[in-house]
Amino acid sequence: GQNIDQPTEMTATEGAIVQINCTYQTSGFNGLFWYQQHAGEAPTFLSYNVLDGLEEKGRFSSFLSRSKGYSYLLLKELQMKDSASYLCAVRNQAGTALIFGKGTTLSVSS
Amino acid sequence: KAGVTQTPRYLIKTRGQQVTLSCSPISGHRSVSWYQQTPGQGLQFLFEYFSETQRNKGNFPGRFSGRQFSNSRSEMNVSTLELGDSALYLCASSLGLRDTRGNTIYFGEGSWLTVV
Repeated sequence: GQNIDQPTEMTATEGAIVQINCTYQTSGFNGLFWYQQHAGEAPTFLSYNVLDGLEEKGRFSSFLSRSKGYSYLLLKELQMKDSASYLCAVRNQAGTALIFGKGTTLSVSS
Repeated sequence: KAGVTQTPRYLIKTRGQQVTLSCSPISGHRSVSWYQQTPGQGLQFLFEYFSETQRNKGNFPGRFSGRQFSNSRSEMNVSTLELGDSALYLCASSLGLRDTRGNTIYFGEGSWLTVV
């Protein structure tokens, strides 16, 4: 079966660092994506990992361990505008579909 | 360059009607995929098209269908609408290549469908 797990909710304060974990069990793997989605808006691409290791992009970093079926998204120097839902998604082996987790709602307070 | 464009953005239909949603991918992208997003189920894959061919289909009833045109624009249709079809329908585009390094998937703004 296909299963992607992420925490439902997380809270943090401005300026802090937060790590959102994602574990997956899928029948195939062809890359892992992280998206940010604000309420009522479309998902916005944040990062993509296909090889093990850390990808850094400004305040956002994403890590992947294929052997452990594990990824995390690291957000540094949190801002109020980072309050959103963060979606972890695995691309299937054929590269034709994304399988999404239910998303993690992050609330950033001052 | 222009992003993924979806029309209409908002629509209200009654049960039993049918609806057609349109998606124009990013220029040069040949893969278009569709997703349904609801509060209870999250984002679920509907189908994917590449060069006018459906390459993959999710676990949705036959009332959900789609097609892709030679210019890569895509439409999806839902017939005999049910209340449970109320959702945000998202279109995503990518190069669609099997070598997926750098093959990022971008989403459109979505079409909000309400069935009453």
